[in-house]
Amino acid sequence: ETGVTQTPRHLVMGMTNKKSLKCEQHLGHNAMYWYKQSAKKPLELMFVYSLEERVENNSVPSRFSPECPNSSHLFLHLHTLQPEDSALYLCASSQLEGTNTEAFFGQGTRLTVV
Amino acid sequence: AQTVTQSQPEMSVQEAETVTLSCTYDTSESNYYLFWYKQPPSRQMILVIRQEAYKQQNATENRFSVNFQKAAKSFSLKISDSQLGDTAMYFCAFMKHGGYNKLIFGAGTRLAVHP
Repeated sequence: ETGVTQTPRHLVMGMTNKKSLKCEQHLGHNAMYWYKQSAKKPLELMFVYSLEERVENNSVPSRFSPECPNSSHLFLHLHTLQPEDSALYLCASSQLEGTNTEAFFGQGTRLTVV
Repeated sequence: AQTVTQSQPEMSVQEAETVTLSCTYDTSESNYYLFWYKQPPSRQMILVIRQEAYKQQNATENRFSVNFQKAAKSFSLKISDSQLGDTAMYFCAFMKHGGYNKLIFGAGTRLAVHP
């Protein structure tokens, strides 16, 4: 059982659909992240939530809408996506203070937009 | 802005041999962390090893060790006694000290370990 759990593992959606990705961390961390991993490109940071407040939005299109209702849960709401949004979406969490500040990742959601 | 470069898209090694993966980075920060993450076919990113920039001693974790050259901004990963389970994508990552922990990743190196 990983400390960071993402659901669903796979998602196929049409361009007019609305869906949500869910991330849950069981590590007591106070920061959570969404990354996008496309083929042949480095991982791209999309959003950062620190103490449940969004602190970074890396010029992500508005068709991606994050939500962090509490320190353990993070959502990515998707609507009217484009085929180029097909990618692996990774959630991560970390502790902001102390010596162990490395990020722990979930297994990702493989998203295909058709 | 920080950048991380991994110049080897693919590497292969025979089981039980040693392989070194390269990583260079660019930053004007003086205090930061460097990481190597492994991503097997299961897709989960797993931390392999970390290095604090203020520490001169190279980090080691069992069969994994790094060669950290701060002046050259180089951070290579050495895997000794390679095992089939080491087959994965390996990502080098940079993180500035302080604030929220934003990771900057390289493009990755695909490592194949052959029997």
